[in-house]
Amino acid sequence: AQKITQTQPGMFVQEKEAVTLDCTYDTSDPSYGLFWYKQPSSGEMIFLIYQGSYDQQNATEGRYSLNFQKARKSANLVISASQLGDSAMYFCAMIRFQGAQKLVFGQGTRLTINP
Amino acid sequence: EAGVAQSPRYKIIEKRQSVAFWCNPISGHATLYWYQQILGQGPKLLIQFQNNGVVDDSQLPKDRFSAERLKGVDSTLKIQPAKLEDSAVYLCASSLRTGGDLSSGANVLTFGAGSRLTVL
Repeated sequence: AQKITQTQPGMFVQEKEAVTLDCTYDTSDPSYGLFWYKQPSSGEMIFLIYQGSYDQQNATEGRYSLNFQKARKSANLVISASQLGDSAMYFCAMIRFQGAQKLVFGQGTRLTINP
Repeated sequence: EAGVAQSPRYKIIEKRQSVAFWCNPISGHATLYWYQQILGQGPKLLIQFQNNGVVDDSQLPKDRFSAERLKGVDSTLKIQPAKLEDSAVYLCASSLRTGGDLSSGANVLTFGAGSRLTVL
């Protein structure tokens, strides 16, 4: 089985501050991938960043970085220098590379950036 | 590159009626997914296709939901008869992956804009 847990239903951050969104996962498989997606109020799911379980370095994409701690089974998203346009729902997701290889999502964290 | 196309964007029906949603994935993407997203929740996988074969449909309510992917390209998701609890956004996504390449963009799912269903 695979499970994703996002414990922060909502977060409020001042513009230009850094923010960390928490994600923990549960799997016994050695091969898996971790994703973060952003969903603005318009509804589309926007891919932000991906980390494979065998990647030695933390993934980075512009202002986004993934703090991957394999032993703790956590994959936190860090957004540096937050902007008003970062206000959205953020979903952590995991895919196992065995069996059906389906992508499972967490419940999401609503991030609000205050001016 | 054209994105994942979905239609209709919005649909309002009464309970016990039927509805169908259509999805055209990105050209060349082998894997197609249908997710159900109820307001305030994360997306839940309904069905996953690899080319035109079903990989996983364990959470598809098969007494009322059906899906097909003819010729391994576009796909249709049908609900018949609809219930009030089917009100949700139905998201279609596609990805390149056909194997276990862990580190490439082959694993990234690209989503369509979604089809919002309201059942009255």
